[in-house]
Amino acid sequence: GEDVEQSLFLSVREGDSSVINCTYTDSSSTYLYWYKQEPGAGLQLLTYIFSNMDMKQDQRLTVLLNKKDKHLSLRIADTQTGDSAIYFCAEFESWGKLQFGAGTQVVVTP
Amino acid sequence: KAGVTQTPRYLIKTRGQQVTLSCSPISGHRSVSWYQQTPGQGLQFLFEYFSETQRNKGNFPGRFSGRQFSNSRSEMNVSTLELGDSALYLCASSSGLAGGQETQYFGPGTRLLVL
Repeated sequence: GEDVEQSLFLSVREGDSSVINCTYTDSSSTYLYWYKQEPGAGLQLLTYIFSNMDMKQDQRLTVLLNKKDKHLSLRIADTQTGDSAIYFCAEFESWGKLQFGAGTQVVVTP
Repeated sequence: KAGVTQTPRYLIKTRGQQVTLSCSPISGHRSVSWYQQTPGQGLQFLFEYFSETQRNKGNFPGRFSGRQFSNSRSEMNVSTLELGDSALYLCASSSGLAGGQETQYFGPGTRLLVL
């Protein structure tokens, strides 16, 4: 199957912006997603972007999509301690199947 | 609307036993997908059901099976458990009406420990 790649770890100071990067391989992907997972919990949908869009903003979250480079990023403005979690990017692959990256552990320090 | 619910939340089994996990989707959703999450392999797709039919399947052995009922609730069964089956099992629901590309909403997961 296709691989979705993410950096594994990001440390950020409270109040700063966080940028989490992801590369995907399937150029035909129509939807790309960002999910958040806190310890012991399931996946929480944060936002998604359709492949014909370059950018999507939703409160503190900004998603940028570079289709030419197959690069997706998630920017979290004014990062808070509650943003500490693992963040997964995912692309639609086939019926009911999302292909996930390995996840980026975000640690927010005071 | 209530979210996706999964039962039980935690399970401890021994090798060789079998286990059944349950998932109730968001009301009105007809598609249920199952994923296995482990530290080593990450999130891996097991299968997807829509209107009681399996539409898609991942690369898991036949010991992993599932079904969906007419009310869209789904069950997943693992027979002859192995130590490597210890994982967080997540189900996700979606409307299932847009070519399988609809947004998936996940439940809290069932954590299975095989001893």
